Amino acid sequence: DADVTQTPRNRITKTGKRIMLECSQTKGHDRMYWYRQDPGLGLRLIYYSFDVKDINKGEISDGYSVSRQAQAKFSLSLESAIPNQTALYFCATSDFGNTEAFFGQGTRLTVV
Amino acid sequence: GQNIDQPTEMTATEGAIVQINCTYQTSGFNGLFWYQQHAGEAPTFLSYNVLDGLEEKGRFSSFLSRSKGYSYLLLKELQMKDSASYLCAVRDQRSTDKLIFGTGTRLQVFP
Repeated sequence: DADVTQTPRNRITKTGKRIMLECSQTKGHDRMYWYRQDPGLGLRLIYYSFDVKDINKGEISDGYSVSRQAQAKFSLSLESAIPNQTALYFCATSDFGNTEAFFGQGTRLTVV
Repeated sequence: GQNIDQPTEMTATEGAIVQINCTYQTSGFNGLFWYQQHAGEAPTFLSYNVLDGLEEKGRFSSFLSRSKGYSYLLLKELQMKDSASYLCAVRDQRSTDKLIFGTGTRLQVFP
């Protein structure tokens, strides 16, 4: 089983719909992140959380919200999806200190 | 804030050596990471540098110069499976230690 699991893996949704992307991890890490990836723009940080009671905005948080339900779970919501939110979304986790981040397999979201 | 620059694309021949450069500007440098990402897949960790110098791990090596804001990833004995994007990422202590990525370098290895 993967250490960082994202659901769904693929999703097509209509403009204006609310959608939630879920992430769970078994690594026991406190830190969790949501990134989106677009061609030519690399990975951009949407939100991050360093523990259950900590939520921080990243570079591109507008139009998104998150919930850290438990140490192992970090969800990303699009309250009213729009076509330019079509992208590949990655969840990642890391331990405290100078350690690498571990990524989920990604969620390919298409907003039509 | 942070600014991370990498070349967009590079090509190389199987068996050769390639060097992928990364320059960065950050207010509180706290480590640099290299990741490999095959198309449509998750990034996977390759190397980490926090002190100046060279870190070697098999066919891959990574170098860091903090005074120059510069790093490179060196790939030796290239194989076809090394065709992927290579992402440089910097941890910024003054931005609550979050990990910021460059746009990535797409490497194509030809026979």
